[in-house]
Amino acid sequence: AQKVTQAQTEISVVEKEDVTLDCVYETRDTTYYLFWYKQPPSGELVFLIRRNSFDEQNEISGRYSWNFQKSTSSFNFTITASQVVDSAVYFCALSDEGNNRLAFGKGNQVVVIP
Amino acid sequence: DAGVIQSPRHEVTEMGQEVTLRCKPISGHNSLFWYRQTMMRGLELLIYFNNNVPIDDSGMPEDRFSAKMPNASFSTLKIQPSEPRDSAVYFCATGHEGTGENTGELFFGEGSRLTVL
Repeated sequence: AQKVTQAQTEISVVEKEDVTLDCVYETRDTTYYLFWYKQPPSGELVFLIRRNSFDEQNEISGRYSWNFQKSTSSFNFTITASQVVDSAVYFCALSDEGNNRLAFGKGNQVVVIP
Repeated sequence: DAGVIQSPRHEVTEMGQEVTLRCKPISGHNSLFWYRQTMMRGLELLIYFNNNVPIDDSGMPEDRFSAKMPNASFSTLKIQPSEPRDSAVYFCATGHEGTGENTGELFFGEGSRLTVL
């Protein structure tokens, strides 16, 4: 069975600090996809990134970066120089190849203090 | 593209009443998912359709819950009779399912917040 673990429930940081969100996953599939979604206070779920299991390159998008390590089954997310607008719940998710059925972690509540 | 459209955005009802939540998927998407979000259980998959056919409804909590997808552009999630513990945000999400680069990305609606008194 697929499982996604986000151990940190709530993280508070002061503006401009970096914050790293941990995501550990379990799957028996050799081909799978990993995702991060952001849920701001307004409630919608916003797609941030998709990574397939064969692509272990780290990715950077502005202040966001992702570190995928198959050896430790982790797909961690770092926000650099955090801003108040980054305050949200961030979800890590996993799906099999060929279907969109996402298994979500419990989410990390990030609070950025001005 | 209008995105996934859900209605109503908010619903307050009394225990025992029937609730119907609606979803219009993004045109061309062939998979549709209903998720429920609560503080206690996070995001739970309730049911999943592919090409309008229910594939997995193992997440539907009870017989009080039912979902339909009569065509590619419309789905409903019905709760009858509703109970206070059904209070949650219900999300509809759609995507294109198959092999290739588009596989796996879900687009979510804004959610329907249900309160059962």
